[in-house]
This record gives sequence, structure tokens and C-alpha cells, in this order.
Amino acid sequence: DTAVSQTPKYLVTQMGNDKSIKCEQNLGHDTMYWYKQDSKKFLKIMFSYNNKELIINETVPNRFSPKSPDKAHLNLHINSLELGDSAVYFCASSQVVRNEQFFGPGTRLTVL
Amino acid sequence: QKEVEQNSGPLSVPEGAIASLNCTYSDRGSQSFFWYRQYSGKSPELIMSIYSNGDKEDGRFTAQLNKASQYVSLLIRDSQPSDSATYLCAVSLRAGGFKTIFGAGTRLFVKA
Repeated sequence: DTAVSQTPKYLVTQMGNDKSIKCEQNLGHDTMYWYKQDSKKFLKIMFSYNNKELIINETVPNRFSPKSPDKAHLNLHINSLELGDSAVYFCASSQVVRNEQFFGPGTRLTVL
Repeated sequence: QKEVEQNSGPLSVPEGAIASLNCTYSDRGSQSFFWYRQYSGKSPELIMSIYSNGDKEDGRFTAQLNKASQYVSLLIRDSQPSDSATYLCAVSLRAGGFKTIFGAGTRLFVKA
């Protein structure tokens, strides 16, 4: 009965490859997010979806493309992976009114 | 100027003492304020939210908000070694949605 789940937990891949990370929440929240946490542990928002609609799209390379098939799912596809993409990617969800966010366990992406 | 600023620490306190964590933010339009705890290798976990000026207490935790001074703090009473973690201050703005900006975090060590 995990609240926010992500798959995979670890992702090791070569430069230039394409990969996807999946996120699901069973909290009934209407808003979902993708965050990137770099090696300095700084947590930065990338995208936010409210009721399947993109509401926040930070300055992120267009190699990153989020997709929300429904309110409970938010996936992240990354094309042409680069070394600088190595980080931990967190999915989170909230009710937009209070914005108390619940985070998934994270996906550690390593690009070689 | 960083949007959300925290002292990176580490802050070291003896077991049983009060730990005081501070945060300042730059946008006066900020509406919601949060403290998250992140253990090493884990995801951020919400511990306190505060929306109006004053104090809010929950168990050993007290959040304090002063919008005039653009200042948020977290007090941890009777600190325990299990409180040793990085504490992230987060502030939500309203810009076509609830964008949340995280501070870089303060590392807290509680010595037994």
C-alpha cells in the first residue's frame, strides 16, 4: 500500500540512450511533480501536472518529456542521455490546495 | 539572491537539547511553508506545514513563521540521535500553480 511509488529504483545506462521512469500515487491527489536532486543534494522542480494538465515546466532540456496518462500516474522520458543527467529523480504528489507533497523513493540515474 | 536560504550546517546538538533551524525566503507573495526531513539515501518526508504567522506545534516540533521578516524556523525539542538528518525548508509560490522552491537544507547531528 505504498503511497507514491517509482520504478525503477536504480537506472544505469550509457550516454545517448533513451530511458523512462514511471511514477504512481494512490493517495487520490490531483497534482504530481518531478524533481531532480543533484550530487550537492539540491532539490529542484522540473515539472508539475494538475489533473493531467502541465502547469509547471521549468527550464529543462527538451530531451526530458513528462507524460500523465491519468491523475494517478506521471512518467518521465529522457532522450539522448548525457553525463550531467546523473542524479536522483523524485516523483511527488499533493492536493494543490494545501500543496503538502509526498515523495516517492527516488530513482538514482547514472549515465556512463 | 537565492529564493530560499538555509544555513547548510552541520548543526550539532547534544541529545535532549533544542535544535533550531532557520530559513529565509525572498518572495513576499509566498503562501505556504514547509519543513521536510531527508535521511541519507532516502526521500524527503514532510514533517511540518505552516500557512499563517505565528507558531504551530506538533509533538516535539514547532514551526514558526514571520511573514514580515520573511523568516521560517523549526524547533526540535528533546532532540534524539534519530533526528540526525538534513532538514529542507520549502516555500510555495503561486505562479500558474503551486511551485515549490526548496532550500539547500541544513544537516543536523544529534550527539548521543
